[in-house]
Amino acid sequence: AQKITQTQPGMFVQEKEAVTLDCTYDTSDQSYGLFWYKQPSSGEMIFLIYQGSYDEQNATEGRYSLNFQKARKSANLVISASQLGDSAMYFCAMRERDNTDKLIFGTGTRLQVFP
Amino acid sequence: DAGVIQSPRHEVTEMGQEVTLRCKPISGHDYLFWYRQTMMRGLELLIYFNNNVPIDDSGMPEDRFSAKMPNASFSTLKIQPSEPRDSAVYFCASSIGLAKEQYFGPGTRLTVT
Repeated sequence: AQKITQTQPGMFVQEKEAVTLDCTYDTSDQSYGLFWYKQPSSGEMIFLIYQGSYDEQNATEGRYSLNFQKARKSANLVISASQLGDSAMYFCAMRERDNTDKLIFGTGTRLQVFP
Repeated sequence: DAGVIQSPRHEVTEMGQEVTLRCKPISGHDYLFWYRQTMMRGLELLIYFNNNVPIDDSGMPEDRFSAKMPNASFSTLKIQPSEPRDSAVYFCASSIGLAKEQYFGPGTRLTVT
């Protein structure tokens, strides 16, 4: 079974609008961490935001926020006020602290921001 | 501050040749990871080290792959002999502990012909 599922292969958003990238996860562990990374066309992987399973507040980092719904096992990334430079692949990842401690990545969502 | 440094950035080699990829983690980071990214398999962890000691190499595809970390500031991933199916982007990443984010290097794009 997929540990991390990103159902949107591609998304389009107009500049200055907000966009939500979906991520659902599968784990039986109580302690885990959720991450989002951005991969622009240049290829590097850029860390965006982290949410721990015990964090009660949704994580925020500038224009990025993580909509964490534990009961639904979802960790959607919200990008507010999209910019052209946000066009990239976005990967959701999970680390299960009680299991392998490895970071497992989803298949990614390609976001295109248009003027 | 320097991030994770990888070399070379691009490598083209012929099948059967030995390939060595290099990584310098961020100073002070105690974990180092090697990943491979392909269109077919996505991003997958190959091996990771803690304080220069290999902790989990279950992701290494086969005996042709080996990784070493002789000191805290240097690691290598070696493929011998290389095959066309090894063509991928190989990332090195480092972190402080396992709790939070990993910082990735720019990657090495390997092409085996």
